Amino acid sequence: AQTVTQSQPEMSVQEAETVTLSCTYDTSESDYYLFWYKQPPSRQMILVIRQEAYKQQNATENRFSVNFQKAAKSFSLKISDSQLGDAAMYFCAYLLLQGGSEKLVFGKGTKLTVNP
Amino acid sequence: EADIYQTPRYLVIGTGKKITLECSQTMGHDKMYWYQQDPGMELHLIHYSYGVNSTEKGDLSSESTVSRIRTEHFPLTLESARPSHTSQYLCASSESLPGSTDTQYFGPGTRLTVL
Repeated sequence: AQTVTQSQPEMSVQEAETVTLSCTYDTSESDYYLFWYKQPPSRQMILVIRQEAYKQQNATENRFSVNFQKAAKSFSLKISDSQLGDAAMYFCAYLLLQGGSEKLVFGKGTKLTVNP
Repeated sequence: EADIYQTPRYLVIGTGKKITLECSQTMGHDKMYWYQQDPGMELHLIHYSYGVNSTEKGDLSSESTVSRIRTEHFPLTLESARPSHTSQYLCASSESLPGSTDTQYFGPGTRLTVL
């Protein structure tokens, strides 16, 4: 079974600094997708960034980038120049595509606090 | 933000009541999902649909039921609500076209409290 582990229940960062959120996953498949979602307090969950497992190049999206280590099954999220609006729960998720079926498995989340 | 909507946003009801949580999307997505999320916890898939008249149960057992009569709607029903159903319910959708991103877009959620 696929599992996703986020070992940091809570993290904090100073405004304008850089923070890295950890995520590891367990799978025997070679074709899959990885996502980071952001869920601000009482607001909608939104996609931050995604990575296809077959791509060696790490995905980037403005201030957000990932460090994808396929052999180590690691998928960390780096937030540069942190802003107050980055404060939220961040969920790492794994999507398995298999025979027309697809399921998204989430980690338990990391609560990020941004200090002014 | 994605064009996916959920109503009501908040619901407080008594035990034994029948409730329906609405979810609709205007993106024409074939695939839709329901997740259950307890406060501060991860999301668990309870139902999914790959198209009209197609519904499947997810990994987390749930007493709720779903229907998919129209592409854009994916309502979830609890015939007799109990306090154990208190949770947040999130609806999501994704494309199924070849070459699509398979990204799931989420609605704002319904926070359900059963007294």
